[in-house]
Amino acid sequence: GAVVSQHPSWVICKSGTSVKIECRSLDFQATTMFWYRQFPKQSLMLMATSNEGSKATYEQGVEKDKFLINHASLTLSTLTVTSAHPEDSSFYICSAEWPVDGYTFGSGTRLTVV
Amino acid sequence: LAKTTQPISMDSYEGQEVNITCSHNNIATNDYITWYQQFPSQGPRFIIQGYKTKVTNEVASLFIPADRKSSTLSLPRVSLSDTAVYYCLYNNDMRFGAGTRLTVKP
Repeated sequence: GAVVSQHPSWVICKSGTSVKIECRSLDFQATTMFWYRQFPKQSLMLMATSNEGSKATYEQGVEKDKFLINHASLTLSTLTVTSAHPEDSSFYICSAEWPVDGYTFGSGTRLTVV
Repeated sequence: LAKTTQPISMDSYEGQEVNITCSHNNIATNDYITWYQQFPSQGPRFIIQGYKTKVTNEVASLFIPADRKSSTLSLPRVSLSDTAVYYCLYNNDMRFGAGTRLTVKP
């Protein structure tokens, strides 16, 4: 089946710095990818829809200048958390549309801001 | 959150069949229903997808009535390793609902 590779799996950064998370579709092309954030014991919250070659569509309440999304190729989307603060600490997950049976999710990135 | 509704939690015992129902009153004609399983600190994993009637694969069955306003995920003979959160989505709306936290007890 389809595989989405997400990197890094965990990262610790200092408050005020930026962190980039990569999401790659392996062996298939993904024109659309999704970025989620998940806090402990909660469901996944859709942050934005990433479209190859165009601007991402952000969900209401998500700061586009803080969570920069770039989908420059059909196999790679990146999420950059800019000027990270402790409240940005969360589990970030990406997904890509797999034409056969829906959407495939990455393994997630645990971000801790200290 | 998505327009799907599921029970927040369910408990079961090893070897039992578990049925989790999802309501999706606003499903569109071209929407498929997909169920995912998520373990802690992992991304969701695809379980099964269907459009109507019944679909079965090696791990689960999915029952969808004619009006398609609900669907039921059936897990036969659950084991401890099936303890997880289960989500239903329809493919044109990738917003997750609260999901169902299934706990399988020995």
